[in-house]
Amino acid sequence: QQQVKQSPQSLIVQKGGISIINCAYENTAFDYFPWYQQFPGKGPALLIAIRPDVSEKKEGRFTISFNKSAKQFSLHIMDSQPGDSATYFCAASVTGFQKLVFGTGTRLLVSP
Amino acid sequence: DSGVTQTPKHLITATGQRVTLRCSPRSGDLSVYWYQQSLDQGLQFLIHYYNGEERAKGNILERFSAQQFPDLHSELNLSSLELGDSALYFCASSSAGHSDEQFFGPGTRLTVL
Repeated sequence: QQQVKQSPQSLIVQKGGISIINCAYENTAFDYFPWYQQFPGKGPALLIAIRPDVSEKKEGRFTISFNKSAKQFSLHIMDSQPGDSATYFCAASVTGFQKLVFGTGTRLLVSP
Repeated sequence: DSGVTQTPKHLITATGQRVTLRCSPRSGDLSVYWYQQSLDQGLQFLIHYYNGEERAKGNILERFSAQQFPDLHSELNLSSLELGDSALYFCASSSAGHSDEQFFGPGTRLTVL
């Protein structure tokens, strides 16, 4: 019940295209859903996050869509660029319980 | 740059040995979290300290321990090392006592031979 399932495992998108990564969770107590971007040899960097009181959050080219009833959330990267090539992790946590539960990661490659 | 620093960047040691990983949180952050990243287990939460006190434990082995000092830096001690302990160890920090907006350091890559 603590798992966060992430798909796809890898993704190839052409430059300018839309990258979509999906996550699903079981624990309805989760109330914070961040996305992290990780480049090789670096630590995960917080990209964008959402709480269940909104269905969508947009920051620049990055958008989180959240479906509370389906217990799913997704990351959309618009106008994908080669510099976006990285591994993306979704995560979830319960406010007051001090741990992030991470998805298994999606390796994104944006071809020029 | 997240503002979280970790040393050393790389560590190579032998089975049975003990190592200490160090983390300095972002200026002003009171919470420090430790995570392990391995190919088979992904990113796993180990332990959380807030202002010097242990707040939560995850899948941390008994051979592992951590502490947070009065200056808020933290150390993760790994003992009786096994080959399977080879992984990336990340420290993250946040300003509050809960897990929102955790900022990760660059990590320490541990290789156990």
